[in-house]
Amino acid sequence: DIVMTQSPDSLAVSLGERATINCKSSQSILYRSNNKNYLAWYQQKPGQPPKVLISWASTRESGVPDRFSGSGSGTDFTLTISSLQAEDVALYYCQQHYNAPYSFGQGTQLEIK
Amino acid sequence: EVQLVESGGDLVQPGGSLRLSCAASGFSISSYWIHWVRQAPGKGLVWVARINNDGSSISYADSVKGRFTVSRDNAKNTLYLQLNSLRVEDTARYFCAKGAYHLDVWGKGTTVTVSS
Repeated sequence: DIVMTQSPDSLAVSLGERATINCKSSQSILYRSNNKNYLAWYQQKPGQPPKVLISWASTRESGVPDRFSGSGSGTDFTLTISSLQAEDVALYYCQQHYNAPYSFGQGTQLEIK
Repeated sequence: EVQLVESGGDLVQPGGSLRLSCAASGFSISSYWIHWVRQAPGKGLVWVARINNDGSSISYADSVKGRFTVSRDNAKNTLYLQLNSLRVEDTARYFCAKGAYHLDVWGKGTTVTVSS
């Protein structure tokens, strides 16, 4: 089974500053035949279901602000929020959809400093 | 509007059973993979199970294998998760979500509490 590990567990960033969350998979989730990384990033606010922000490691979903970006390949991935806004306070999860079980990272709590 | 609505959550004793439902609207479940994901109180997301679009392939997390069963009723456009031999550690909010890869539509979830 693939284990997803996020760092840090929590992060406090000032408004307008950059926030960076890392996600590492225990094995490569790059599918060579199509050169796609099978990784998604989700945002979850209190009392709400998760919302997908980024798919295929770096493709921003429709309607997601362009301050959110994803990068990385193979086993190491990053979610970056270029200029933190108050509404970005949330839990963030990465998930691999390379093979079952489709594991999530443990989550990163993002707060305002 | 594409929507998923879960129901069926309840308080149940250890060893008991429940059937959760996931009703879809705005799309046909027979065309999409559907996943179940759970979240214990104050904890992170845990993938539970998924069924592919035609029901020919189902996968489960090891923690629920042999106890939970996914099924679907295409005529009702509804997916089910049968929970048997429930344990205290199965207490969680259960979400269904649509997607063959990333999960692009989620329901609001239904709460299962296992306690004596």
